[in-house]
Amino acid sequence: DAGVTQSPTHLIKTRGQHVTLRCSPISGHKSVSWYQQVLGQGPQFIFQYYEKEERGRGNFPDRFSARQFPNYSSELNVNALLLGDSALYLCASSLASGYQETQYFGPGTRLLVL
Amino acid sequence: QQPVQSPQAVILREGEDAVINCSSSKALYSVHWYRQKHGEAPVFLMILLKGGEQKGHEKISASFNEKKQQSSLYLTASQLSYSGTYFCGTELLTSYGKLTFGQGTILTVHP
Repeated sequence: DAGVTQSPTHLIKTRGQHVTLRCSPISGHKSVSWYQQVLGQGPQFIFQYYEKEERGRGNFPDRFSARQFPNYSSELNVNALLLGDSALYLCASSLASGYQETQYFGPGTRLLVL
Repeated sequence: QQPVQSPQAVILREGEDAVINCSSSKALYSVHWYRQKHGEAPVFLMILLKGGEQKGHEKISASFNEKKQQSSLYLTASQLSYSGTYFCGTELLTSYGKLTFGQGTILTVHP
């Protein structure tokens, strides 16, 4: 079975631009979470979606937004990019949204903001 | 609040054992352990649930002390493939589904 897939794998943008990252969860999984991982640190929670509804939001500015589609895939959008947005963006899928759900990570999108 | 992992780095020879600790100042519902190799995604290893249940990797064990809000990951008879950065992700009673990760422990296994 295919795991979590993300696109693109790498992206270079300039400050002020907008970016859209995409994620397809494992087949049968209905929940998608987004994390930002800065070099040398652990992943930091951005959003969780379940059945197209936002179930959780981390401490990120409103420039970050996301949505989930009827097929459970998801997009993460970041507006007005800053240099500090350079990071690995990870998508994780789980069967459902709730306590003690195992989250499986995709390979990530590496974003570089110049 | 971010859990604290210790040690920050460990160097082993093949066959040696290691323990990685993860401590939280808040009440936890579960602890999730992942290993990440350079340039790759974190790979799920184990989940420890409130109440003592464990689910995960056959060759790696862990414990969860609910009184101390601390989890330990035990790597026995280490193999070269165990090298990587280990992260614990904690799930609080107040925010299900949201994992807060520690800063990571870098494990290097030499032949």
